[in-house]
Amino acid sequence: QKEVEQNSGPLSVPEGAIASLNCTYSDRGSQSFFWYRQYSGKSPELIMFIYSNGDKEDGRFTAQLNKASQYVSLLIRDSQPSDSATYLCAVGNTDKLIFGTGTRLQVFP
Amino acid sequence: GAGVSQSPSNKVTEKGKDVELRCDPISGHTALYWYRQSLGQGLEFLIYFQGNSAPDKSGLPSDRFSAERTGGSVSTLTIQRTQQEDSAVYLCASEGGLAPYEQYFGPGTRLTVT
Repeated sequence: QKEVEQNSGPLSVPEGAIASLNCTYSDRGSQSFFWYRQYSGKSPELIMFIYSNGDKEDGRFTAQLNKASQYVSLLIRDSQPSDSATYLCAVGNTDKLIFGTGTRLQVFP
Repeated sequence: GAGVSQSPSNKVTEKGKDVELRCDPISGHTALYWYRQSLGQGLEFLIYFQGNSAPDKSGLPSDRFSAERTGGSVSTLTIQRTQQEDSAVYLCASEGGLAPYEQYFGPGTRLTVT
């Protein structure tokens, strides 16, 4: 079992819809959770982090964490074509940060 | 500087040559990671430096790869006797923001081995 798992996609959503990106992790001792966005040919960019169970909202982005289910998600409201990118989930366990392989999101007009 | 910098941005080398890639982390950040990303693939962890502790080298793919971090700041990743399969983007990330494990990436070095 991979330490951090994501569906590779692509996830295709129409402009204006909600995009839901999901991630599961294996280490119950994990403390911090991150979402990075990576445009094609660019390096990953941190967009959200969350520590506590529940929701954390920042503009059109909402991160959701459920430690009991070892599940973290990212919701993007009012999706725009400019949101089309690969979204990487990263989990800070007891040792270091572990990345998932990413989900490719495509937002079509 | 304000962010992580890496040099060179692009490197083309012949098979069998050695290359050195440099990373300048954010000032004051204590941890530094090297990753490799092949075209269309995810991030492959290579090595992790944290303060004065011994580095975590568990991701280095072979003994041709080595890295050092001098003075707790600048890091150099060295690849000896390069092979075509070493062609990838090499990313450095600096860690030390407000959140534990919060990382910021440099622009990467695109290595092409011909």
